[in-house]
Amino acid sequence: SQQGEEDPQALSIQEGENATMNCSYKTSINNLQWYRQNSGRGLVHLILIRSNEREKHSGRLRVTLDTSKKSSSLLITASRAADTASYFCATLDTGRRALTFGSGTRLQVQP
Amino acid sequence: EAGVTQFPSHSVIEKGQTVTLRCDPISGHDNLYWYRRVMGKEIKFLLHFVKESKQDESGMPNNRFLAERTGGTYSTLKVQPAELEDSGVYFCASSQAGRWEKLFFGSGTQLSVL
Repeated sequence: SQQGEEDPQALSIQEGENATMNCSYKTSINNLQWYRQNSGRGLVHLILIRSNEREKHSGRLRVTLDTSKKSSSLLITASRAADTASYFCATLDTGRRALTFGSGTRLQVQP
Repeated sequence: EAGVTQFPSHSVIEKGQTVTLRCDPISGHDNLYWYRRVMGKEIKFLLHFVKESKQDESGMPNNRFLAERTGGTYSTLKVQPAELEDSGVYFCASSQAGRWEKLFFGSGTQLSVL
């Protein structure tokens, strides 16, 4: 069954606006990460938040984690056209050594 | 430093044929993973090598898929015989020993089975 599930599936915004994507998961995790995939390219690691952390920042990225609700959100502030990509959350489940990915959110930033 | 490279970038084959995908991980990375994304759905785990050993192959869909990692360097994923539902993007990723968190991905192989 699918572990990470992103919401929404697709998001279209104007340049300068903020973009928020959500991820829900089902099992106990050690950490949660967000990756970005530009069309035709591989996934690129963006940010990692550990299970004992609630919020983390990196540049224009802000990630929150609520382990009681088994959910996370990724906020991209002041979006740019170059942020257009698919974004995936991935969890490292307790006891496993491989990441579990969701189905992704397709973000389109209109210039 | 070279990243993870995959070959070919695209492959179009007919049902029943054989296809072999190759992945060259980042030099020195012990962990090598294969993932697959089918029809815009979730990215599904296929298997995980630590050096030349299969650590976890719980995601391999069936015995038509065979993965190898000779000498703990590059890896191949063979599909024989290919079926229509095997179409999708196959990603390879690698990471350093003991680091299962941060993966470095290749650009993927787009496989189309007609």
